[in-house]
Amino acid sequence: EPEVTQTPSHQVTQMGQEVILRCVPISNHLYFYWYRQILGQKVEFLVSFYNNEISEKSEIFDDQFSVERPDGSNFTLKIRSTKLEDSAMYFCASGTVAETQYFGPGTRLLVL
Amino acid sequence: AQSVTQPDIHITVSEGASLELRCNYSYGATPYLFWYVQSPGQGLQLLLKYFSGDTLVQGIKGFEAEFKRSQSSFNLRKPSVHWSDAAEYFCAVGAQDTDKLIFGTGTRLQVFP
Repeated sequence: EPEVTQTPSHQVTQMGQEVILRCVPISNHLYFYWYRQILGQKVEFLVSFYNNEISEKSEIFDDQFSVERPDGSNFTLKIRSTKLEDSAMYFCASGTVAETQYFGPGTRLLVL
Repeated sequence: AQSVTQPDIHITVSEGASLELRCNYSYGATPYLFWYVQSPGQGLQLLLKYFSGDTLVQGIKGFEAEFKRSQSSFNLRKPSVHWSDAAEYFCAVGAQDTDKLIFGTGTRLQVFP
């Protein structure tokens, strides 16, 4: 059964550094998402992406965040200048239709 | 505003016992409702979903959920729990006019032999 994959599984970075989190969505999916889960808190929506553009974003998704689909398979989330509060598990999701989202295993990001 | 409430933070059951995890939502329009499961160190796996139609939906791993509009609830049930069901369970709500899912805080299920 096809799955969403994410790399790396864990990343440690220094505050102020740029990080890129990578996702390979399920191959025939057209809708892509990023969520995050700060330890002990709810899973929160960051952004959705369809037809090569952002279709919706949350208030969390400020100018330090960006998403890109650089080729036909990858979907990336870039954090330009990481802050301590960006430490979280970041989940990528994809779907064939907007309503159903299949999640990857996540990347645990730790900002020191 | 949309919201999801999972009143039970932690539930413990014996293996073989029945299970019901509660989920209440708040949303003005007809919601899309989901249950996801997260095993330790794993991602979120979709158990089942409700969009419309039959209010009792079947999912994977023997789980089912019932949509009750009058109670704004979408409770997850399983008749006989297995030790491998120990995990965290998340209820989520979506809608036709938004891409985002709103998640509850989760219910951690512990299963004793």
